[in-house]
Amino acid sequence: GQSLEQPSEVTAVEGAIVQINCTYQTSGFYGLSWYQQHDGGAPTFLSYNALDGLEETGRFSSFLSRSDSYGYLLLQELQMKDSASYFCAAPGGYQKVTFGTGTKLQVIP
Amino acid sequence: EAQVTQNPRYLITVTGKKLTVTCSQNMNHEYMSWYRQDPGLGLRQIYYSMNVEVTDKGDVPEGYKVSRKEKRNFPLILESPSPNQTSLYFCASRPTSGGGTGELFFGEGSRLTVL
Repeated sequence: GQSLEQPSEVTAVEGAIVQINCTYQTSGFYGLSWYQQHDGGAPTFLSYNALDGLEETGRFSSFLSRSDSYGYLLLQELQMKDSASYFCAAPGGYQKVTFGTGTKLQVIP
Repeated sequence: EAQVTQNPRYLITVTGKKLTVTCSQNMNHEYMSWYRQDPGLGLRQIYYSMNVEVTDKGDVPEGYKVSRKEKRNFPLILESPSPNQTSLYFCASRPTSGGGTGELFFGEGSRLTVL
């Protein structure tokens, strides 16, 4: 089976940088994805790391370390609209996809 | 517009009254899946389907059924709903071609209340 652990809540100031961590235990691992979900909305895809290292997409970056079973999502130049829940997810090949418990990010002025 | 469409978006029903939540995608994706979302528990997979007539259980399949008779449709069936199935349900799809990011495309969600 798979389990992914995330902090439940994070608060950060507008304009700052915040890191959301995800540690995982999996029986088979193909990579780590990140999704954003605003209240009342559907999850939307942010990024995917198949290999170790940092992937950058605009203000968002995602990092993976397979040896440490650990990844994180880095959000820079925080904006109020970044207030949302963020989920890491581990695709089990093309079959099961297990999501983390989610981190609720609150951006304050 | 590429999308995953779920219906109904909101439903209040009573214990034991069979219901179906429909899901349809127009992206020709092979893989489709159902999740339920509950506070503090994240998204938990109920069932998934690799292709037409191929379905398998996720992590929380009890009390649910699915079918995949057509590639675009993947309905979720609650034969005898119970209050513990009160939840927010999401359908998602993705292609299963090799490589890629495995990005899941989600529907807008169906909020179900069972009294």
